Amino acid sequence: QVQLVQSGSELKKPGASVKVSCKASGYTFTSYAMNWVRQAPGQGLEWMGWINTNTGNPTYAQGFTGRFVFSLDTSVSTAYLQISSLKAEDTAVYYCARGIYGDVPRLDYWGQGTLVTVSS
Amino acid sequence: QSALTQPASVSGSPGQSITISCTGTSSDVGSYNLVSWYQQHPGKAPKLMIYEGSKRPSGVSNRFSGSKSGNTASLTISGLQAEDEADYYCCSYAGSSTFVFGGGTKLTVL
Repeated sequence: QVQLVQSGSELKKPGASVKVSCKASGYTFTSYAMNWVRQAPGQGLEWMGWINTNTGNPTYAQGFTGRFVFSLDTSVSTAYLQISSLKAEDTAVYYCARGIYGDVPRLDYWGQGTLVTVSS
Repeated sequence: QSALTQPASVSGSPGQSITISCTGTSSDVGSYNLVSWYQQHPGKAPKLMIYEGSKRPSGVSNRFSGSKSGNTASLTISGLQAEDEADYYCCSYAGSSTFVFGGGTKLTVL
């Protein structure tokens, strides 16, 4: 069965960096794109972007350029989200979600979410 | 890219039908029949309920249906059940290989 298992909660100080992992299983990793979605406390879903798991080419949504980096390790079927220069407003649950290639927002499997808390 | 517009809340009694709207622009919802809908229970990950406007993934109840008219997509839930109480989000293709979510709608089953 398809599973996306994310790394555990993180508590970071402002200015630090964090790397969230998303390990996929139950399907061919490179046959599907990987999307990242943010949900701040009590707020809605925000699409951050996606990464082509074949080429490693990322696409970032407006507002998620510069400090946010998507990467892959296809040898272990894992996608990563790294956030640098953390700010308090980065406090949120971050989800990875499998998507199909092509311009279709069909996010059919989701990770359990990783809570990143930024606090001094 | 601005978030799609959804009502903050809707409610209905068990057995009734409700509709949640998702309004975008001619650059997203209006240009493509590529809207998906997600259900999210508190503390849980979202779940895909509808994709490509009106298609249901395997395992999703046929009480859930999707449609579109102009710049507005809609999710209809018929025969409301207590377990339908959740937050619902629409998501549309927005051009240039990007997507955009709606602000979310809280469904209360009275």
